Amino acid sequence: GQSLEQPSEVTAVEGAIVQINCTYQTSGFYGLSWYQQHDGGAPTFLSYNALDGLEETGRFSSFLSRSDSYGYLLLQELQMKDSASYFCAVRDRGGSSGDKLTFGTGTRLAVRP
Amino acid sequence: EAGVVQSPRYKIIEKKQPVAFWCNPISGHNTLYWYLQNLGQGPELLIRYENEEAVDDSQLPKDRFSAERLKGVDSTLKIQPAELGDSAVYLCASSLDHLAAGRNEQFFGPGTRLTVL
Repeated sequence: GQSLEQPSEVTAVEGAIVQINCTYQTSGFYGLSWYQQHDGGAPTFLSYNALDGLEETGRFSSFLSRSDSYGYLLLQELQMKDSASYFCAVRDRGGSSGDKLTFGTGTRLAVRP
Repeated sequence: EAGVVQSPRYKIIEKKQPVAFWCNPISGHNTLYWYLQNLGQGPELLIRYENEEAVDDSQLPKDRFSAERLKGVDSTLKIQPAELGDSAVYLCASSLDHLAAGRNEQFFGPGTRLTVL
């Protein structure tokens, strides 16, 4: 089966940089996604890495190392509105049903003034 | 463009009662997902539809849960009878094509928060 590990909570100051790590165990790996979810809101897609390396989208970047089964989400120039939960999600072959997205337990980011 | 629509947003029922949730995905999205999210946890897949076909229902507790997507658009998820442990947020998501473009970006609805008393 799949398993993902990410820190449960991270606190950072407005304007700073924060990195949220994710390690995973799975077979038939396709890629790693990141989703953001504000309290009471819907998860929203941030990024997807299928190949090793860094993907940059504005203030957010995501990194993947397939050989290390490791990825991270990097948030720069933190803003108060970035306070939310961040989920890594592994996309893999998911057995007989084709590919499947499995979410981690999430990292709650608190941005302080 | 309208996002994924779910109703109701909140539902409070007593245990052993039935409950149903409705989802309207983004127009043109062939793939529809139902997830369950417990407090402080990530979404867990219950069932995935490709058009009207349920292609992955391995995590759906079939003794009490059922789902349908008759015309390959709207979907309903039903619980009968509900148990205390079913209290959670039920999320619906859709994607353009499950296997296309690699990203499989899923668009989530706001969810239905179910409380079973």
